Amino acid sequence: DIQMTQSPSSLSASVGDRVTITCRASQGISNCLAWFQQKPGKAPKSLIYAASSLQSGVPSRFSGSGSGTDFTLTISSLQPEDFATYYCQQYKSYPLTFGGGTKVEIK
Amino acid sequence: EVQLVESGGGLVQPGGSLRLSCAASGFTFSDHYMDWVRQAPGKGLEWVGRTRNKPNSYTTEYAASVKGRFTISRDDSRNSLYLHMNSLKTEDTAVYYCARRGGNYVLDYWGQGTLVTVSS
Repeated sequence: DIQMTQSPSSLSASVGDRVTITCRASQGISNCLAWFQQKPGKAPKSLIYAASSLQSGVPSRFSGSGSGTDFTLTISSLQPEDFATYYCQQYKSYPLTFGGGTKVEIK
Repeated sequence: EVQLVESGGGLVQPGGSLRLSCAASGFTFSDHYMDWVRQAPGKGLEWVGRTRNKPNSYTTEYAASVKGRFTISRDDSRNSLYLHMNSLKTEDTAVYYCARRGGNYVLDYWGQGTLVTVSS
């Protein structure tokens, strides 16, 4: 199975900050990487697919990059509604696997 | 508007069975692969399994943790997805989400989830 490791597991940031979350795959997954946002008590929301493509309706302050084993999710200017937990997921091979999550909290 | 609505969760004893349903609307259900993903209380997301569509013979994939105990099925005439869960364990306690695999190969729409609690 492909293991997905996210870092950090949590971070504190202020509105307006630039935030970067990293995700590492245990083996190469090309660009088969998605990012999700989840708020407490809610279902996950798809943000990014193919490592760097924004889902329709997702604000442009979100961006993704990477290929192979190392990926990043960047929020260019953190907004109040962005405080949530973020997950990466590989869809290169079965079983599909998620990272452990990164909780973005208010400083 | 795409909607996915899960139902069927509840309290079940260890060793018991349960069937979850997911009612889909707002898109051509039969075109899409459909997944189940779960989340134990306070934990991260865990993929459970997938059913492909008719052109791909409705074949399925499962996580090792549920293989042989859980079965995913679908009824395209009812726009419905199912998760049949047998031999339930306490570690199966989770919110279960159904999700649609979109044209870009990712899970682009999710239901609100249904809670399954396995406890004596």
